[in-house]
Amino acid sequence: DAKTTQPTSMDCAEGRAANLPCNHSTISGNEYVYWYRQIHSQGPQYIIHGLKNNETNEMASLIITEDRKSSTLILPHATLRDTAVYYCIVRSRRKAAGNKLTFGGGTRVLVKP
Amino acid sequence: DTGVSQDPRHKITKRGQNVTFRCDPISEHNRLYWYRQTLGQGPEFLTYFQNEAQLEKSRLLSDRFSAERPKGSFSTLEIQRTEQGDSAMYLCASSSGTKEQFFGPGTRLTVL
Repeated sequence: DAKTTQPTSMDCAEGRAANLPCNHSTISGNEYVYWYRQIHSQGPQYIIHGLKNNETNEMASLIITEDRKSSTLILPHATLRDTAVYYCIVRSRRKAAGNKLTFGGGTRVLVKP
Repeated sequence: DTGVSQDPRHKITKRGQNVTFRCDPISEHNRLYWYRQTLGQGPEFLTYFQNEAQLEKSRLLSDRFSAERPKGSFSTLEIQRTEQGDSAMYLCASSSGTKEQFFGPGTRLTVL
């Protein structure tokens, strides 16, 4: 699976949008971009995923560049409960790949009042 | 609660002892995964099952580790002759086919 690069940490003001970047310049055409987050002492939580189109759900929006080499996770109105480590993961679509997730270091997001 | 559950949540053991963890996946999920997470790092894949078949094992899974999913429902992860380096959070996840994985709360193992 392609590697991803994320900033180590970032702060965000409560109520503002949080934009989390991720570089995946070696992504191939049959790989998805997934985002998970992990709140302290909990298991990772699925947020959203996409292939090449932008995606939105009740938690966040995912913007993928046209060349697919980078993406941005947008939390539209950050709350204190969004403080967590956010992981950007590239995963193969191929069934034979087994669906395992390869986590990097993630971005530690601190939402401040 | 119909999420992934893990038992126990915390385990303290002495070096050399055997430990076993249990994971109950979301009902009807045919895939079950085990990951390990050490302090300050992201989770690392250990192994996964499709129904009762163990289809992939990471090189991290030494011969002291064994995982089973006998009836394609719950799974157990056993560590024999524990070492201090085995201290970590052990996470279980499940999915329906290749769809998104849902994680349990984890079992935190401390080896003294």
